[in-house]
Amino acid sequence: LAKTTQPISMDSYEGQEVNITCSHNNIATNDYITWYQQFPSQGPRFIIQGYKTKVTNEVASLFIPADRKSSTLSLPRVSLSDTAVYYCLVGDMTTDSWGKLQFGAGTQVVVTP
Amino acid sequence: EPEVTQTPSHQVTQMGQEVILRCVPISNHLYFYWYRQILGQKVEFLVSFYNNEISEKSEIFDDQFSVERPDGSNFTLKIRSTKLEDSAMYFCASRRGTSGATDTQYFGPGTRLTVL
Repeated sequence: LAKTTQPISMDSYEGQEVNITCSHNNIATNDYITWYQQFPSQGPRFIIQGYKTKVTNEVASLFIPADRKSSTLSLPRVSLSDTAVYYCLVGDMTTDSWGKLQFGAGTQVVVTP
Repeated sequence: EPEVTQTPSHQVTQMGQEVILRCVPISNHLYFYWYRQILGQKVEFLVSFYNNEISEKSEIFDDQFSVERPDGSNFTLKIRSTKLEDSAMYFCASRRGTSGATDTQYFGPGTRLTVL
């Protein structure tokens, strides 16, 4: 599984857009990029997943440049309830090697009024 | 929306006792996982389970740990003789098992295990 690097923490105000960039220089051809969110004392929650270019859902957008060595999770107009730890994970979706998720320390996002 | 459930939400036990943590994965999922998270630390993989057998396990998952799918719905993690350092949140996860971008792991709410 490709190693990922993301900021330890980010602070934001309500209503602002939060962009979290994750570096994954050793991403492999079959690897997908997945982001999870975790609130205290809760299980990680899937947010978004992509392979290249841009993916958008009702919660977030994921931007992946052509070289795929990094990705940016964009949370539009955050609210206090978006305060959580956000994890970037990279793994192979085409074989059973996607069985194990390896979480890093994640990015603690704190949203204040 | 289907979700993974876990019981109990909190388990307190004495050191040396056996505990069984229970999970009900999403019904049409084929791959099952246990992870743990010690307070203030990252989520760690313990074991993956497919087709009624362990497919991968971590160094943490030693002889004190075992998993079982006793029926068509439950997936359990047993710790035979608990230690103080087993205190953690234990998360169960499941995934459908089809290749492609939509095949993700879904996590349960966790069981907080406290070993005294």
